[in-house]
Amino acid sequence: AQSVTQLDSHVSVSEGTPVLLRCNYSSSYSPSLFWYVQHPNKGLQLLLKYTSAATLVKGINGFEAEFKKSETSFHLTKPSAHMSDAAEYFCVVSEPGGTSYGKLTFGQGTILTVHP
Amino acid sequence: GAVVSQHPSWVICKSGTSVKIECRSLDFQATTMFWYRQFPKQSLMLMATSNEGSKATYEQGVEKDKFLINHASLTLSTLTVTSAHPEDSSFYICSARDTFGAGANVLTFGAGSRLTVL
Repeated sequence: AQSVTQLDSHVSVSEGTPVLLRCNYSSSYSPSLFWYVQHPNKGLQLLLKYTSAATLVKGINGFEAEFKKSETSFHLTKPSAHMSDAAEYFCVVSEPGGTSYGKLTFGQGTILTVHP
Repeated sequence: GAVVSQHPSWVICKSGTSVKIECRSLDFQATTMFWYRQFPKQSLMLMATSNEGSKATYEQGVEKDKFLINHASLTLSTLTVTSAHPEDSSFYICSARDTFGAGANVLTFGAGSRLTVL
């Protein structure tokens, strides 16, 4: 079984300050981990993914995440927030390989608010 | 890059009617597609796995007779909400994996379909 816990339901930052969205996971396998962003009434856009290669993963729009197996964490960071980053972010875990790949388990989501 | 198109993007229907939502992979083939449901201010929940040429696999608690899934080709899966009721109002999102291409390890999501049942 696999699960994902996003530790903050809401995060509020000022424009230009760092962003930290926290995620812890639980998986029976070596997991694949993803961060997706969802803007209001829109679908999901992949920010980045970890699939057992480099533990520090760089994504789009300046986001990156570090896989820490010892802490079972996959926190999302960005050095400087933009107003356009305001959205909901989902941490997602997937069991690797085979037909089960794609059975994603979503975290509860973190709403990021960016203040001018 | 891989693109998944969902249609319609929003639909309003009367209680008791059926609604069909299409999910198309535009530039790749997908033997497997996934349907999710998202209630307001909640996360996405996997409803079912759609398998090309065979029956869909439903998650526990999802009524297969109510949410009919058909995956007749490598680029199209449909979700039909039968005899819709107001509690079926939700945001439905599909995703697909590029089965044969370089993007096989990445799921691409559609933009979602918002269903409102009156």
